Amino acid sequence: NAGVTQTPKFRVLKTGQSMTLLCAQDMNHEYMYWYRQDPGMGLRLIHYSVGEGTTAKGEVPDGYNVSRLKKQNFLLGLESAAPSQTSVYFCASSYQGHQPQHFGDGTRLSIL
Amino acid sequence: GQQVMQIPQYQHVQEGEDFTTYCNSSTTLSNIQWYKQRPGGHPVFLIQLVKSGEVKKQKRLTFQFGEAKKNSSLHITATQTTDVGTYFCAGQTGGFKTIFGAGTRLFVKA
Repeated sequence: NAGVTQTPKFRVLKTGQSMTLLCAQDMNHEYMYWYRQDPGMGLRLIHYSVGEGTTAKGEVPDGYNVSRLKKQNFLLGLESAAPSQTSVYFCASSYQGHQPQHFGDGTRLSIL
Repeated sequence: GQQVMQIPQYQHVQEGEDFTTYCNSSTTLSNIQWYKQRPGGHPVFLIQLVKSGEVKKQKRLTFQFGEAKKNSSLHITATQTTDVGTYFCAGQTGGFKTIFGAGTRLFVKA
């Protein structure tokens, strides 16, 4: 019973490099979300998706892109990483928009 | 834009003491959710409140949603070391964007 799985768990990048974070859920949830968590700032919504093939911007979308080609997967891309993007990234999913969100274990990303 | 403020930022208590965290929204909410995050872990859903003035209990935890649906609180009676972690409120308006508060980190001394 995996729930929400995020890969990788840790990554160190150099400024300007690109990478993709993968989120997979096996609960047949329609909604998926990407958050970043920084000390003292809680969780901030980057992008979200209300279904396969759809994406929308959250509070802090700049510097990130997302794709939801399959219902179970939600990818977060950093095209040109910057030190300000050093953070812990959480993916979450929910059955519908007002339902509880289930979170993955997070990806700790450091950009030097 | 919509903001959700949560206080206090930190709280140190002796085991057995009570603890309360408060959440205030700049706009009326359709519902509010509470999550707990253990150190090094991920947020885990605790409860959702929908109705004005709603009060729900989970063992030693009591959750309240204000009459105006703009504030909420979580009260823990007789804290235990297992209560350690960060408690987040998360508010939703008519849409499905969820705005999280900054969280209250609870430290419990045995």
